[in-house]
Amino acid sequence: QKEVEQDPGPLSVPEGAIVSLNCTYSNSAFQYFMWYRQYSRKGPELLMYTYSSGNKEDGRFTAQVDKSSKYISLFIRDSQPSDSATYLCAMKNSGNTPLVFGKGTRLSVIA
Amino acid sequence: DVKVTQSSRYLVKRTGEKVFLECVQDMDHENMFWYRQDPGLGLRLIYFSYDVKMKEKGDIPEGYSVSREKKERFSLILESASTNQTSMYLCASSLGLGSGELFFGEGSRLTVL
Repeated sequence: QKEVEQDPGPLSVPEGAIVSLNCTYSNSAFQYFMWYRQYSRKGPELLMYTYSSGNKEDGRFTAQVDKSSKYISLFIRDSQPSDSATYLCAMKNSGNTPLVFGKGTRLSVIA
Repeated sequence: DVKVTQSSRYLVKRTGEKVFLECVQDMDHENMFWYRQDPGLGLRLIYFSYDVKMKEKGDIPEGYSVSREKKERFSLILESASTNQTSMYLCASSLGLGSGELFFGEGSRLTVL
């Protein structure tokens, strides 16, 4: 079993839809959870950063972590064509270890 | 703003050539990373460095080496390029290894013929 599983998509939604992106993981030591966004022909950039369980909201974006189920989600409300990108989940434990990335989900928001 | 600059956006090399990919960051970050990104395989860590002249193997170090002579510069070296090293290479930096916030360059697309 891979440490982090993420459905690669592609996912295509109409403008204004609510988007749900998800990752599951197997390592119960993970405590820090991140979502990166990567536009075509660009490097990833950090979008959301959460610690342990719970929700975090930033504008149209909400990150959820459920450590009991080893499941994290990113919700995008009122999706826009400019949200079209690949979204990568990433996580790590509390030690000095590199991030573990999911494979990314490609999202297209159609106007 | 943190800037991570990769010297070449696109390179075409021949099998057996030695290839250097250069990365420079301007924010005095301790840690630097080299990833490759392939369709269906996601981001895979090749090497990382948490200090000058220090290096650690990532998940797929075979066929690669790295050099970090100065804090701001981290080089990836392909001693003898092979076609299976055709990929997008991404450099990243972070303030500390415990940080989850990586700053990425725009990538170097390498094609090995």
